[in-house]
Amino acid sequence: DVKVTQSSRYLVKRTGEKVFLECVQDMDHENMFWYRQDPGLGLRLIYFSYDVKMKEKGDIPEGYSVSREKKERFSLILESASTNQTSMYLCASGVLVGYNEQFFGPGTRLTVL
Amino acid sequence: AQTVTQSQPEMSVQEAETVTLSCTYDTSESDYYLFWYKQPPSRQMILVIRQEAYKQQNATENRFSVNFQKAAKSFSLKISDSQLGDAAMYFCAYRSALMIKAAGNKLTFGGGTRVLVKP
Repeated sequence: DVKVTQSSRYLVKRTGEKVFLECVQDMDHENMFWYRQDPGLGLRLIYFSYDVKMKEKGDIPEGYSVSREKKERFSLILESASTNQTSMYLCASGVLVGYNEQFFGPGTRLTVL
Repeated sequence: AQTVTQSQPEMSVQEAETVTLSCTYDTSESDYYLFWYKQPPSRQMILVIRQEAYKQQNATENRFSVNFQKAAKSFSLKISDSQLGDAAMYFCAYRSALMIKAAGNKLTFGGGTRVLVKP
């Protein structure tokens, strides 16, 4: 059974804190993604990675960075959290070839106070 | 850039009846893929159904079917014989068919439609 896991379901942080969100997949997928989900806006891509140590900006990368040191792990970093980064964060993984689906993690609901 | 629009923020359906969710998209590409994802409350997003743009036949998965109108750039989802377990957020998504490694296979999502199922 395919699996994408995220380090936390709920997280509360203070403004200015450095925040790490981690994602692990066990399907040997080349591609991994971080999305942000907000009501009425759907999912918006923050960053993605198509290989170890490779990363590409998505549609809303400002205020975020990522790290992919191992194929199965993709981390999202908020260098200095702000209240407008309060949101649901979803990690996903998938393969490049064909029209294969992306597999999603359970999400991390982050609140920045 | 591609955009995906879901014009219905919320839809309500009686159990055992049919509901249709709308999705339109904008693209200049001729080959692409379209998806419907389901996100149940507090549960993981899962794929419901997918369609390849070059296939004229509409995809069907059990009680879920799509109406794909390429010229109109429309991709609606029909849920037949609705069940309580169908209650969820539904997202329409677009993906280019171009196999460019640095482009990944990233999805562009619509804003979502919440489906409520009344017993």
